[in-house]
Amino acid sequence: TQLLEQSPQFLSIQEGENLTVYCNSSSVFSSLQWYRQEPGEGPVLLVTVVTGGEVKKLKRLTFQFGDARKDSSLHITAAQPGDTGLYLCAGAEGNKLVFGAGTILRVKS
Amino acid sequence: EAQVTQNPRYLITVTGKKLTVTCSQNMNHEYMSWYRQDPGLGLRQIYYSMNVEVTDKGDVPEGYKVSRKEKRNFPLILESPSPNQTSLYFCASSYFLGARTEAFFGQGTRLTVV
Repeated sequence: TQLLEQSPQFLSIQEGENLTVYCNSSSVFSSLQWYRQEPGEGPVLLVTVVTGGEVKKLKRLTFQFGDARKDSSLHITAAQPGDTGLYLCAGAEGNKLVFGAGTILRVKS
Repeated sequence: EAQVTQNPRYLITVTGKKLTVTCSQNMNHEYMSWYRQDPGLGLRQIYYSMNVEVTDKGDVPEGYKVSRKEKRNFPLILESPSPNQTSLYFCASSYFLGARTEAFFGQGTRLTVV
């Protein structure tokens, strides 16, 4: 099983700060996804990155796929309390979807 | 409304008492799967199904069974639950397998085995 490592595990910041979350693997993925999970809910897809070097923006969230397609990052600009949640990256391995352990983000107002 | 529905949301049971967690999707998806989520370990796949009557083991299948008799339903069966199966369980579905397709998740089932 390809391992997806996420860092940091926990992040607690003040409203308005910027942050970056990382997802790394020693293996190449054809694409990676980012999900966000709120307490008491299932994960919800934010974005899929497919091409090496690809950058996608979703309002204040910027997602990047590494050139070698082994890593990805999520950057949040001017974080808000509503961004609080668990952020998960995921990649397809054969017939399975593999998830990283996640980054717990807490944005304080 | 497109959704994946799991039941029950919460369940406390005793060791050895068989239980079933139901999962149903209304999106005509081919691919369905079950995950368990534990602190620090993320989501680990238990079983998946590519289509009706086609199921296969994920990364942590021991102690679990599944069936896919109908396209919309994918129940998870614990024949003899043990305390190490205490966890948060999620059912998910997608049109087909692959990170290019969106996986839709249920709201989760929090299971406690005492």
